Amino acid sequence: NAGVTQTPKFQVLKTGQSMTLQCAQDMNHEYMSWYRQDPGMGLRLIHYSVGAGITDQGEVPNGYNVSRSTTEDFPLRLLSAAPSQTSVYFCASSSQGTTEAFFGQGTRLTVV
Amino acid sequence: RKEVEQDPGPFNVPEGATVAFNCTYSNSASQSFFWYRQDCRKEPKLLMSVYSSGNEDGRFTAQLNRASQYISLLIRDSKLSDSATYLCVVTLSGGSYIPTFGRGTSLIVHP
Repeated sequence: NAGVTQTPKFQVLKTGQSMTLQCAQDMNHEYMSWYRQDPGMGLRLIHYSVGAGITDQGEVPNGYNVSRSTTEDFPLRLLSAAPSQTSVYFCASSSQGTTEAFFGQGTRLTVV
Repeated sequence: RKEVEQDPGPFNVPEGATVAFNCTYSNSASQSFFWYRQDCRKEPKLLMSVYSSGNEDGRFTAQLNRASQYISLLIRDSKLSDSATYLCVVTLSGGSYIPTFGRGTSLIVHP
């Protein structure tokens, strides 16, 4: 009964490094999305996907790339990490049928 | 202007109190409405969906006013365990079903 699985849970990067945050769901949901959460800012949408092969930008896409080669996986890539990307990242999935969003446990990223 | 607006609080109430949160949304094409609960350093989880007719789940009542574009959440007989951040969530019509979140309202229930 995995739901949405995010890895890693914690990560420290140096400025300029790249990395990929992994997100996988086993509910066959069409929609997947990435959010970042900063103090006082709520959850802000980074990128989202409405199905395999289809992605689009959200509110704060700069510095991040995504791809959706399968229904299950939706990785988020940081191309060149910056201290401003220090945040908590959440992946979510949902479907047209239920519309409820299910979240992964989050990744706490610190860029030094 | 943010699409979904909430008073961040915190709302500081004693056990047993009734507390209400409001949320306004700017896009009249919004289709689905939810309240999520987020505990400190955890992922958000669905508390309840919000329907035009209003709906109740135990001590929680949610209402939607489409004409005024606001959503409310009423918590009766507050418990210490209700302390959390409550997020108002809206999805648009048109098929993307990607949720848009308010900044959240912090509730602290004290003995």
